[in-house]
Amino acid sequence: GAGVSQSPSNKVTEKGKDVELRCDPISGHTALYWYRQSLGQGLEFLIYFQGNSAPDKSGLPSDRFSAERTGGSVSTLTIQRTQQEDSAVYLCASSLWRADTGELFFGEGSRLTVL
Amino acid sequence: AQKVTQAQTEISVVEKEDVTLDCVYETRDTTYYLFWYKQPPSGELVFLIRRNSFDEQNEISGRYSWNFQKSTSSFNFTITASQVVDSAVYFCALSEASGGSYIPTFGRGTSLIVHP
Repeated sequence: GAGVSQSPSNKVTEKGKDVELRCDPISGHTALYWYRQSLGQGLEFLIYFQGNSAPDKSGLPSDRFSAERTGGSVSTLTIQRTQQEDSAVYLCASSLWRADTGELFFGEGSRLTVL
Repeated sequence: AQKVTQAQTEISVVEKEDVTLDCVYETRDTTYYLFWYKQPPSGELVFLIRRNSFDEQNEISGRYSWNFQKSTSSFNFTITASQVVDSAVYFCALSEASGGSYIPTFGRGTSLIVHP
């Protein structure tokens, strides 16, 4: 498809398990962002990839969270030893380059529920 | 300190009413960008507008209009003659030059409910 694709759309897991969330950005977009949306909390920035540069990980809430982007395209967000407070919708977005040159395009999100 | 403040958590109106969503931002940069996004019940955020700090001209797009005032650090969004399809959560965002990455910071959103 032409838009940002995320999978899975829904994930239910047990506390302590690891989860992987995938994002396939729009072809040709060099920038990729992960945000987390918790109820009533707006969008919380997690991590930003720009081309081949080192990612900006300043928003990751703990060392249980990590992300990689392979070949400048697909990205995977990994949460290890999930906790109940990790329950949220994880949103991926991509942009042509940076936000000063164009808007972010968002995927539909991956809803994570940790029991 | 919160960089983007959307003080209105929820607004409820009746169809055909005009409604204004407030957005106040905070930045020390002279170059920055402001955005509005719409998140309908389906969940996917939809881009509405992007405005740079050097362009204070108000913009109108159909029933939507935006009022950018640097003097009050505000970027308010008005929907004229609201419709049920306007029901959604609306997010304002700020993109600053700090660090050169322009990563957008979002407000907490305003939930707009338009009743028929």
